[in-house]
Amino acid sequence: AQKVTQAQTEISVVEKEDVTLDCVYETRDTTYYLFWYKQPPSGELVFLIRRNSFDEQNEISGRYSWNFQKSTSSFNFTITASQVVDSAVYFCALSIGAGGTSYGKLTFGQGTILTVHP
Amino acid sequence: DTGVSQDPRHKITKRGQNVTFRCDPISEHNRLYWYRQTLGQGPEFLTYFQNEAQLEKSRLLSDRFSAERPKGSFSTLEIQRTEQGDSAMYLCASSLGGDPGYGYTFGSGTRLTVV
Repeated sequence: AQKVTQAQTEISVVEKEDVTLDCVYETRDTTYYLFWYKQPPSGELVFLIRRNSFDEQNEISGRYSWNFQKSTSSFNFTITASQVVDSAVYFCALSIGAGGTSYGKLTFGQGTILTVHP
Repeated sequence: DTGVSQDPRHKITKRGQNVTFRCDPISEHNRLYWYRQTLGQGPEFLTYFQNEAQLEKSRLLSDRFSAERPKGSFSTLEIQRTEQGDSAMYLCASSLGGDPGYGYTFGSGTRLTVV
C-alpha cells in the first residue's frame, strides 16, 4: 500500500519569507509519480508539478522549487518570497506504476495549510 | 472546453435521503475518477472509470454508493440512505489515458452536508 505523510498541519509566515512544505512517501513500487497540488478556498485542486521516480533532478519554476530525494523518500516544496496569494492548502500525492489498472489513482497526504500574512 | 464540471456545487440533505451528483469530464478524456475529501484531510480515492467500464472501487465505497458512466461521457455518483458521515466534498477528475500528469484535471467538487 502507498502512503503520503505531510507532517506540517499548518504553517504561518509573513509575506516575503521563504517556506518549505515537507512530504514523505512510502511505496514498494520502483516506478511511481509524485505530485504537488494547491487547493485555494474555492476548492478546486490545482496541479503544480509531477516528478517520476527516475528523475531526481530538482526543479524550479519561478518562486516555486521542489527537492526530490529517493534516499529519504521525500519530495519537499519550497516557496521563495511568499505572497499572500500563496495562502492555500497544499497537498502532496503519489501514483504508482506505469500502465495497469491502478495507474492514475492518486494517494494524497493530509495537506498543509499555508497562511501568508501581509 | 471549460474543464471538469460538477453539479451541484453544494447539496444539503436530510439523513436517510438519496442524493446524486454529476460530473462532466473534459470531452476527450477517457478516464474519470471520483474522490472524497473530508474536512482537514486529503482527497481519498473512491472509484474510477475507463470509458464506461468501472475498473476499480475503493473499500470506502460502501453498498450505499453507486457510480455510473453511461456511454463513457458524464458520470453520476449516487448515495442512498445518506448518513452524517457522508458529509464531505466529492471531487471528480478526468484524464486522457491513465497518465496522472498534466492532463489530470479536477473539478471544483460537490460539497455534501447531511443534517
